[in-house]
Amino acid sequence: RKEVEQDPGPFNVPEGATVAFNCTYSNSASQSFFWYRQDCRKEPKLLMSVYSSGNEDGRFTAQLNRASQYISLLIRDSKLSDSATYLCAVNGRKSNSGYALNFGKGTSLLVTP
Amino acid sequence: EAQVTQNPRYLITVTGKKLTVTCSQNMNHEYMSWYRQDPGLGLRQIYYSMNVEVTDKGDVPEGYKVSRKEKRNFPLILESPSPNQTSLYFCASSLSNRGGTEAFFGQGTRLTVV
Repeated sequence: RKEVEQDPGPFNVPEGATVAFNCTYSNSASQSFFWYRQDCRKEPKLLMSVYSSGNEDGRFTAQLNRASQYISLLIRDSKLSDSATYLCAVNGRKSNSGYALNFGKGTSLLVTP
Repeated sequence: EAQVTQNPRYLITVTGKKLTVTCSQNMNHEYMSWYRQDPGLGLRQIYYSMNVEVTDKGDVPEGYKVSRKEKRNFPLILESPSPNQTSLYFCASSLSNRGGTEAFFGQGTRLTVV
């Protein structure tokens, strides 16, 4: 089982729609969770961290379910500018002293007029 | 401005010709890493460094070397590049790798090995 798994999509949605992405992770000891956004051929940029209590930033809501080992991202009132690839990232132990940020393969979103 | 700078942004080279991709961050971050991104495979970690003179293999280290002689720099070295190393490479840095800290990425280096 891959450490971090996402549905690759693509998700094609009309402007104004609500869309949700899920991401599952395999390491139950993981402690830090993030959603990144990546535009075509550009570097990933942090969209939001995901906290145990869930968190919201404008139209974006992230939630963590530790029992089921998944995180989610909800985008409300989609804009054309939301079209991008969304990467889930989970911090997991890499060695006795180190951790690494493991990424899912990303979910592609296309918002259409 | 806080940033991670990679050079070059684009590189076409021939098989077997040694090359170095530089990475520098100005945020005094402890943790730096290199990823490659390929269609259908996502971001895969090549090497990481927890601090000066401390480096370790990631998930796909074969064919690569790194060094961390200074905190700000973390070059990626391909001693004898091969076509299967054609990829988009990203350098990233974090304040700490203990979790809960954001990773900042460089703009990427698109490498083609012919």
